[in-house]
Amino acid sequence: NAGVTQTPKFQVLKTGQSMTLQCAQDMNHNSMYWYRQDPGMGLRLIYYSASEGTTDKGEVPNGYNVSRLNKREFSLRLESAAPSQTSVYFCASSPGTNYEQYFGPGTRLTVT
Amino acid sequence: DQQVKQNSPSLSVQEGRISILNCDYTNSMFDYFLWYKKYPAEGPTFLISISSIKDKNEDGRFTVFLNKSAKHLSLHIVPSQPGDSAVYFCAAYNDYKLSFGAGTTVTVRA
Repeated sequence: NAGVTQTPKFQVLKTGQSMTLQCAQDMNHNSMYWYRQDPGMGLRLIYYSASEGTTDKGEVPNGYNVSRLNKREFSLRLESAAPSQTSVYFCASSPGTNYEQYFGPGTRLTVT
Repeated sequence: DQQVKQNSPSLSVQEGRISILNCDYTNSMFDYFLWYKKYPAEGPTFLISISSIKDKNEDGRFTVFLNKSAKHLSLHIVPSQPGDSAVYFCAAYNDYKLSFGAGTTVTVRA
């Protein structure tokens, strides 16, 4: 089992460009999450999907959109990247029946 | 407003000694509290958890203590080992979501 996989690992964008971060899990988990990690801020929840077919905003959703494509995949889209979106992005999944979340290796995004 | 706070950004401890990491929270609705460990260039990995109805949970070298009246929890690592050098995040669970603290970087000195 690969667990939670994320692509790409690194990305550099110019201000105004768009891109989609991909996330997939092979653990048959119901819930999936997108976080960003910034120095001194810990992990902040951007969006989550408690179950297939549903998505909800987290703490910092502005400038992002998500798609729960199927039970395995949950993508995060930046429509018009801004330097403030420079961060490390983590995807996570959870069975949904308990609290534990499993994290992917992260995507390091730089917006210039 | 941050609901989970880790007020110590860093901790340095000698190998073999005890590491104590602290965490405070504000939301009394949290059901579970968790500690995650993170190495550079990797995702966080689950370490240990405690239910809000317990006051202690132990797993090998790791023990988590919960003081609900003070809204405070702590992680004890005994004895500390070089492989414990990492960033430790405190997290609290409610309604499908985890709220994280800012993290404490632990360095174990030989």
